[in-house]
Formats: sequence, C-alpha cells, structure tokens
Amino acid sequence: QAQLVESGGGLVQPGGSLRLSCSASGFSFSLYGMHWVRQAPGKGPEWVAFIRFDGSTKYYLESVKGRFSISRDNSKNTLFLQMNSLRLEDTAFYFCAKDESPRAYSVLDQWGRGTLVTVSS
Amino acid sequence: EIVLSQSPDFQSVTPKEKVTITCRASQSIDNLLHWYQQKPDQSPELIIKFASRSISGVPSRFSGSGSGTDFTLTINSLEAEDAATYYCLQSSSLPLTFGQGTKLEIK
Repeated sequence: QAQLVESGGGLVQPGGSLRLSCSASGFSFSLYGMHWVRQAPGKGPEWVAFIRFDGSTKYYLESVKGRFSISRDNSKNTLFLQMNSLRLEDTAFYFCAKDESPRAYSVLDQWGRGTLVTVSS
Repeated sequence: EIVLSQSPDFQSVTPKEKVTITCRASQSIDNLLHWYQQKPDQSPELIIKFASRSISGVPSRFSGSGSGTDFTLTINSLEAEDAATYYCLQSSSLPLTFGQGTKLEIK
C-alpha cells in the first residue's frame, strides 16, 4: 500500500518561502507521476502542480507559476514543492498525491495526509 | 479552464437510502472524471475512476456513470460511515479541476 507523508509546512510571512517535502513508500516512486494539491480550510481541493515520473515535464496552476517549483529526487523517494513569494491566499493544507500514470496527468489514486501552510503577518 | 458543477451542495439522508450526486462539466471531458470521498480531517480518497470504474477495496454500493459532460455518483443503501463530502475531478485538461463538493449528512 502506498504511503505518502508530507512535511515542511508552517507559519510564514507574506513574501516568504517554504519548501515542502513528501516522502513516499510502499510503491515504486520513480515509476509514477506526482502531484501537489492544496485545500484551504473549509474549501474544496485545488490542483497546484504535476511532475512526470522522470522529472522531465512539469505543469503548474497559473496563479503559482513563477513562484512555486515542483521537483523530485527518485533516489530518495521524495517529492518537493519550493514555494516563494508566498501570499495570504496560499494558506492551505498541501497534499502530495500519486498519479496512476507515469507520463501524463491522470488519476490521483493515493494521497498523503497533508501539511498546513499558513501565510500571515 | 473546465468548470465542474456538482449538485446538490448538501444533502441530509437516512441510512439505507439511495443517493445520487451529479457533476456537470463546462465542456466535454469524455470519461476523464473521477470521484473522491473526503471525511473530516482526512485526505480525499478515490472511490470511482474514469466515470464508472470501481476501485479495489471500495464498497460495491458506490457506482458511477456518465460520459461527455454529465456524470453521476450513486450510493446504494447508504450507511452511516458514508457521511462525508464528495468531490468530482476532471483530468481531461490542465488545470485539473474539482467540483465544489457535495456534503452528505446522515440523519
């Protein structure tokens, strides 16, 4: 059974930076695409970014382009989300999720429990 | 951006009742529509993929149908543990988008 554990969330001031990590186990991490999805408290989920199994292709939500960067280290079974120039509206739980496809975005079939990012002065 | 509209937003139902939740896409997405269940303080869990394909380990009372722009999630003989918010997700085009959610309350 796949297990995904996020870390790195916390309180940050507007304009600040955070780096989220997602440690994967229970499946061949290097064979699957991965996503970050966020969910503001009391709201629905919002897709943020996707990375192909080999890291060669990345896609982003328009509102985070140029500020967020998704990456992965397949040797360490770890997914990352570097978040810069954080805004109040970036406040949310951030989930990493496994895609059932290696190359293209498809079905998010396993999710972590999330890490909370709070942007506040 | 493809907009997904779910209905209803909220439904209060009794155990053993049959529940139907709909998800309408703003343009055709073939069968690239997936359903998730989210219980309080938990992450979303995949319950139906590609509109109608069942997921291993998910009770058989959950089923899905539809294609193009109109989709339905059906829960037959509702159980108390089905109290949750249900979301649809489209993977036809970027950005991936979710419906606004349907909250099911068990009476």
